Amino acid sequence: AQKVTQAQTEISVVEKEDVTLDCVYETRDTTYYLFWYKQPPSGELVFLIRRNSFDEQNEISGRYSWNFQKSTSSFNFTITASQVVDSAVYFCALSEAPFNRGSTLGRLYFGRGTQLTVWP
Amino acid sequence: EAQVTQNPRYLITVTGKKLTVTCSQNMNHEYMSWYRQDPGLGLRQIYYSMNVEVTDKGDVPEGYKVSRKEKRNFPLILESPSPNQTSLYFCASSQREPRYNSPLHFGNGTRLTVT
Repeated sequence: AQKVTQAQTEISVVEKEDVTLDCVYETRDTTYYLFWYKQPPSGELVFLIRRNSFDEQNEISGRYSWNFQKSTSSFNFTITASQVVDSAVYFCALSEAPFNRGSTLGRLYFGRGTQLTVWP
Repeated sequence: EAQVTQNPRYLITVTGKKLTVTCSQNMNHEYMSWYRQDPGLGLRQIYYSMNVEVTDKGDVPEGYKVSRKEKRNFPLILESPSPNQTSLYFCASSQREPRYNSPLHFGNGTRLTVT
């Protein structure tokens, strides 16, 4: 079973629309970390945000916001007033904690990514 | 400039011809990792290293080897490449393992084609 599920393979929106990218994760650890990465058409991978499992406070950074809900094991990413430059593949990732038996050290699990296309 | 450098960017080879993709980072990071990216499959971890001389398998280690003799370098070796290893490969590094909440810095990728 996938540890990180990004059910939306592709999303298309028109500029200025708001869009939410879903991320659902699965872990038995009580301490873990979640990440979002962006891969624009140029191909490089860029870190966007990290969140630890004890911090459920939502975060906002400009037009980007993240909604972390442990109750539903979700860490969703919203872009407000989308722009063409937001077009990219977005990956959600999970790292499990070091202090629980059975956790695999050094592993970082990525979802399959969501291709976001923003049309002018 | 802090960076992860992979070489080559593009590589076309034939089945069975050994090759090495180099990866070097200049940030004194302890953790390094290799991923492959395939359409519809996202990023899958091949191998990782938590420090010099410490390496371990990720999701898809078959057909690959790595070594970590120095902190800055983490080469990926394909002893006998096969067409199913045609992929886009990324090297990444971070201060410590991701489980310590360290974000990854990625190289620019190596597009490998095995015919």
